[in-house]
Amino acid sequence: AQSVTQPDIHITVSEGASLELRCNYSYGATPYLFWYVQSPGQGLQLLLKYFSGDTLVQGIKGFEAEFKRSQSSFNLRKPSVHWSDAAEYFCAVGAKQAGTALIFGKGTTLSVSS
Amino acid sequence: EPEVTQTPSHQVTQMGQEVILRCVPISNHLYFYWYRQILGQKVEFLVSFYNNEISEKSEIFDDQFSVERPDGSNFTLKIRSTKLEDSAMYFCAGTTGSTEAFFGQGTRLTVV
Repeated sequence: AQSVTQPDIHITVSEGASLELRCNYSYGATPYLFWYVQSPGQGLQLLLKYFSGDTLVQGIKGFEAEFKRSQSSFNLRKPSVHWSDAAEYFCAVGAKQAGTALIFGKGTTLSVSS
Repeated sequence: EPEVTQTPSHQVTQMGQEVILRCVPISNHLYFYWYRQILGQKVEFLVSFYNNEISEKSEIFDDQFSVERPDGSNFTLKIRSTKLEDSAMYFCAGTTGSTEAFFGQGTRLTVV
């Protein structure tokens, strides 16, 4: 079955500390991988994506993610968290074929403490 | 920067009533989607739409749901007879087919 697992429901990080949000996927085809962020009352904003090539991808707001095929993982990282990063983060997987639906994980809520 | 626009932002409706959720996709997008997110749960795919017809739909998208793009601009989701369990945030998204999906801000539907 195709699925995305985000094992951490809620994470609290101190401002300035590093962050890693975990994502594992199960997908039959070559995966396209995404991280989206959702602030309260807002829509889903794309942080970064992996289609092919370099397995370490850079995104907006200082985020990066590393695709590890052997571990079926696409973990999101940030070296120094800012209070404005507090939000819900969703990992998603899709296929190369145009129009394919995305499969989302349940999300990880990030809280930032001062 | 172009964006996907959804209206209304919040809709309250009585059980059994019909609702129409509206979306204006980005103009060069070709594939359109509706997703929903029940409070506290993950985002779930409902339906995709391409070339004026449904290309894929999930088990959630039963006969109570329909989509259309009546004027080549708006993309709508209709729920014929709403149930309490339809209460959710509904997201519209679009893509050119070779890029990531761009999502709207969502419509929060509350069925009472």
